[in-house]
Amino acid sequence: GAGVSQSPRYKVAKRGQDVALRCDPISGHTALYWYRQSLGQGLEFLIYFQGNSAPDKSGLPSDRFSAERTGGSVSTLTIQRTQQEDSAVYLCASSAYNEQFFGPGTRLTVL
Amino acid sequence: AQSVTQLGSHVSVSEGALVLLRCNYSSSVPPYLFWYVQYPNQGLQLLLKYTSAATLVKGINGFEAEFKKSETSFHLTKPSAHMSDAAEYFCAGSGGYNKLIFGAGTRLAVHP
Repeated sequence: GAGVSQSPRYKVAKRGQDVALRCDPISGHTALYWYRQSLGQGLEFLIYFQGNSAPDKSGLPSDRFSAERTGGSVSTLTIQRTQQEDSAVYLCASSAYNEQFFGPGTRLTVL
Repeated sequence: AQSVTQLGSHVSVSEGALVLLRCNYSSSVPPYLFWYVQYPNQGLQLLLKYTSAATLVKGINGFEAEFKKSETSFHLTKPSAHMSDAAEYFCAGSGGYNKLIFGAGTRLAVHP
């Protein structure tokens, strides 16, 4: 069956550009998480969605980061005015029964 | 605050040797605990999870882990390493809203 998909898989942005990263979760999974994986910080939680609501945004590193989820399905993580320190792999996971299923990630490189 | 510590950022074993990857957690209440594996340029794949049903948990690819409350540990083992086991391994605990709190990861190398 289809797993979690993310697009684009690779993104190169110039510093100051806005980027949007997409996550398509497994059908029927109401919980969705975003994580960031970077060399300096390891794997960090960013935000959690239950349905279209985000009860936990505690991991978003700055107000340049935002995320939304529509129709209880697709989620988009947006980074405004990208900085070099935003370079990382952004992972999305959808969840059922306390198990999270991860997508392949989007590798963002900010030049 | 809950934290997960993995001892050893790099572990190297010979093919056929025992694999032991160490993980300790910090929590006042035993959480759910997980081991994930990540192959290059791929997402995370669940190896196994502890949810308090049994202290010895068997996972995929011959891996298992034992939850030891007295030691606050959840070490991952495999009796005999295979070349295909070379990857990065992450231990994680569950936090609020079941978000995952990860250790720093251990890169496993398997040599002939």
